[in-house]
Amino acid sequence: DSGVTQTPKHLITATGQRVTLRCSPRSGDLSVYWYQQSLDQGLQFLIQYYNGEERAKGNILERFSAQQFPDLHSELNLSSLELGDSALYFCASSAINEQFFGPGTRLTVL
Amino acid sequence: DQQVKQNSPSLSVQEGRISILNCDYTNSMFDYFLWYKKYPAEGPTFLISISSIKDKNEDGRFTVFLNKSAKHLSLHIVPSQPGDSAVYFCAASYGTGANSKLTFGKGITLSVRP
Repeated sequence: DSGVTQTPKHLITATGQRVTLRCSPRSGDLSVYWYQQSLDQGLQFLIQYYNGEERAKGNILERFSAQQFPDLHSELNLSSLELGDSALYFCASSAINEQFFGPGTRLTVL
Repeated sequence: DQQVKQNSPSLSVQEGRISILNCDYTNSMFDYFLWYKKYPAEGPTFLISISSIKDKNEDGRFTVFLNKSAKHLSLHIVPSQPGDSAVYFCAASYGTGANSKLTFGKGITLSVRP
C-alpha cells in the first residue's frame, strides 16, 4: 500500500460527458502528479500541483483540468469526453525524488 | 521526442536465471533514475533508484547499473522469481523535490517461467 488513494476505481461513461477523478496523497506529501496510461503507452505526465499551486504541465488536453485543495487532495476533471480518453489515470505524490502511485482509476468512455 | 526509451517490449526468462532490463535516455540533464514495477490493475510501485553520481546501486536481488557516457541504465534481477513477472518502467528526472518531474519509458513486460 503506497498510501496514495484514488477514487473511483472504475468509471464508465459516455462520450461528451464530464467526470471527476479524486486523489489523496500520502500524509505529508505536498506534490501531486497526474498521469495517463493508454493501451501500449507508457505513463504520460499530465500535470503537477505543489501545495495547492500548479507547478508543471505535461501533455494535458485543454478539455482536462485539475486542482489541489487546501487539504492537499487533488481532483482531475475531464470534460467533453471522447473515446480516446479511455485509459488508466494514476495520481502520485512525492516528498523528494521518488513518486508513490495510487491504484489508478480506469476510465471507459463508450 | 521520447527521452526515455525501453526498446524491448518484453522479456522472458527461466526462474532462477538473471533478468536484465535495459533503458536508454537522451536528455543529459537527467540526474536521477528510477525503476518501477507494475502488476495488472495496480499502480506502479517504486523498486530502486540511482543517482548520477553513482554507477551501481544494489537492493537485495535488484541491482541498477548506470553508464552515463552511454546514457544507458539496466536493472538486473538475480535470481528471477515467478512473482517478478510484471511490467517494469524506467524513469528519469532532474531537479529535486517539487521541481523534479519524472519522464517514463513505455515499459517492458517481464515473464519469469517456473
